[in-house]
Amino acid sequence: DGGITQSPKYLFRKEGQNVTLSCEQNLNHDAMYWYRQDPGQGLRLIYYSQIVNDFQKGDIAEGYSVSREKKESFPLTVTSAQKNPTAFYLCASSAPPSFNSPLHFGNGTRLTVT
Amino acid sequence: AQSVTQPDIHITVSEGASLELRCNYSYGATPYLFWYVQSPGQGLQLLLKYFSGDTLVQGIKGFEAEFKRSQSSFNLRKPSVHWSDAAEYFCAVGRSGNTGKLIFGQGTTLQVKP
Repeated sequence: DGGITQSPKYLFRKEGQNVTLSCEQNLNHDAMYWYRQDPGQGLRLIYYSQIVNDFQKGDIAEGYSVSREKKESFPLTVTSAQKNPTAFYLCASSAPPSFNSPLHFGNGTRLTVT
Repeated sequence: AQSVTQPDIHITVSEGASLELRCNYSYGATPYLFWYVQSPGQGLQLLLKYFSGDTLVQGIKGFEAEFKRSQSSFNLRKPSVHWSDAAEYFCAVGRSGNTGKLIFGQGTTLQVKP
């Protein structure tokens, strides 16, 4: 079955530590995205990548970094510079940006930083 | 600036009753519009989308939405709600040229009374 796998489901870190969230897809999609979800705020775009070895900042990229070395993988690193990292992080993918390619989402990683 | 507003944070309906969730958007061009549903702790599932053409869009699980350009609205409806419809619902608008770069509303939580 094709889909997006995010791991782990729950992640706990101490303040000041970097942490990397995994996202793998086997849908053969070119584009991948990271969204952050906070209660009452909907989802906000962190980073996106339309092809391998290329990515762009979204609306809230500060304190985050990404890489796209393989088509299937788009890991997100939450750095110690992110002021409020505790949130639910969702990875998504889509076929090449086109008229008829909505997002497919993974099941998310809940990050808690104390 | 582009934005999406879901005026109702929380809605409670009785099982079997009809449902309408409101969504208003602000976007300069013809929007790409989406409704997603999220169960607790899960990712988002696409219910339906509007790109162009017929302004009444049918989706999965018996949902439909109507695009009204004059009112900048894209309200979601269902004639008879089931207990399994209890979830959080998000309206989103896609930025031109990339249906993955979505702007989400704040979400509406639906509670279904038996």
